[in-house]
Amino acid sequence: QKEVEQNSGPLSVPEGAIASLNCTYSDRGSQSFFWYRQYSGKSPELIMFIYSNGDKEDGRFTAQLNKASQYVSLLIRDSQPSDSATYLCAVLEYGNKLVFGAGTILRVKS
Amino acid sequence: NAGVTQTPKFRILKIGQSMTLQCTQDMNHNYMYWYRQDPGMGLKLIYYSVGAGITDKGEVPNGYNVSRSTTEDFPLRLELAAPSQTSVYFCACNRGGAQYFGPGTRLTVT
Repeated sequence: QKEVEQNSGPLSVPEGAIASLNCTYSDRGSQSFFWYRQYSGKSPELIMFIYSNGDKEDGRFTAQLNKASQYVSLLIRDSQPSDSATYLCAVLEYGNKLVFGAGTILRVKS
Repeated sequence: NAGVTQTPKFRILKIGQSMTLQCTQDMNHNYMYWYRQDPGMGLKLIYYSVGAGITDKGEVPNGYNVSRSTTEDFPLRLELAAPSQTSVYFCACNRGGAQYFGPGTRLTVT
């Protein structure tokens, strides 16, 4: 069973700042990584996925993958109060199953 | 196109009662999943299915059963409800490697 670790937070950032969320994983052979956002009382929604080393950008979101160090990061630029949520990191394992971290709570203060 | 739907949204059960959580998807995806999420925790996989007639256990299957007679439906059965099964239950299906979630069922067992 792969393990995925995240700092539970809360991570507090001022509006307009960059929020940096980190995730480490145990299986060096992992290939695919996902970031989900979950608002309180709602279901997780996919933000980004990344398969290759380096950065992947989508609007205000950038996912960073470093396979040698076994970590994945999510950067949120120009953070908004509406970004306040729990961010879940997930790693794909065999059978198209995802292993989730416990999530990091992000609070963006206006 | 409703995506993934779940019923009921909320349910209170007495210890020892049984119930079925319904999950339906209209995207014709083969892979479907059931997760539970306890407060402050990530998602734990209960059961999954790779297609009609094929199911397999996830990380926390005890106390649950599933069936998959059609591509669209993947019900989760609790036979003898216990307080430890108080949780939020999410159904998901897979598209392109990523998973997409239903709105969830909040279950309380007292």
